[in-house]
Amino acid sequence: DQQVKQNSPSLSVQEGRISILNCDYTNSMFDYFLWYKKYPAEGPTFLISISSIKDKNEDGRFTVFLNKSAKHLSLHIVPSQPGDSAVYFCAASPKTSYDKVIFGPGTSLSVIP
Amino acid sequence: GAGVSQSPSNKVTEKGKDVELRCDPISGHTALYWYRQRLGQGLEFLIYFQGNSAPDKSGLPSDRFSAERTGESVSTLTIQRTQQEDSAVYLCASSPGTYNNEQFFGPGTRLTVL
Repeated sequence: DQQVKQNSPSLSVQEGRISILNCDYTNSMFDYFLWYKKYPAEGPTFLISISSIKDKNEDGRFTVFLNKSAKHLSLHIVPSQPGDSAVYFCAASPKTSYDKVIFGPGTSLSVIP
Repeated sequence: GAGVSQSPSNKVTEKGKDVELRCDPISGHTALYWYRQRLGQGLEFLIYFQGNSAPDKSGLPSDRFSAERTGESVSTLTIQRTQQEDSAVYLCASSPGTYNNEQFFGPGTRLTVL
């Protein structure tokens, strides 16, 4: 049973527009959420995170929104750039075991010039 | 560099052979993880080491898989009697082991079992 779900395997967005990547989770004990970006032939790299005490965290063009009641988070990229084309993984960890991180299956984003 | 390194970058082996994959974590990182990514799939957790604690082996898919870590440094993932379904990219990550648990990933080892 997948505890972290990313129901869209892929997403295409025009350059300059907003990209919205969604993530749902089932475990109410999840306390800390992270997004990673992965280019082909490279390991994932950390992008942005959010603690459950917040509902929004922003870093430049990247903003993560958390809706705890809906067990849903989303990553917004605005404006999208061709270099943002990558696979994005949503990840979560519980308060009781912060280093046990569960990854979602990933969403492949293509930003079209 | 100061990042996580993995070797070899690519490994082709014949079915039934044993393979050993190596991970050098970032110095000072107490936590070390192994993941597997099959073609078109997400990251599948395999095993986790934290300091001197017993490793969390809950993700290992069978007893053909094992891993060791020497103190807080190098880790090796061993796959015995490889099968074609073991073909995947094996990723290693390390983290400081604190609450801000960002993981730093290596480039991975692409394993192909013929």
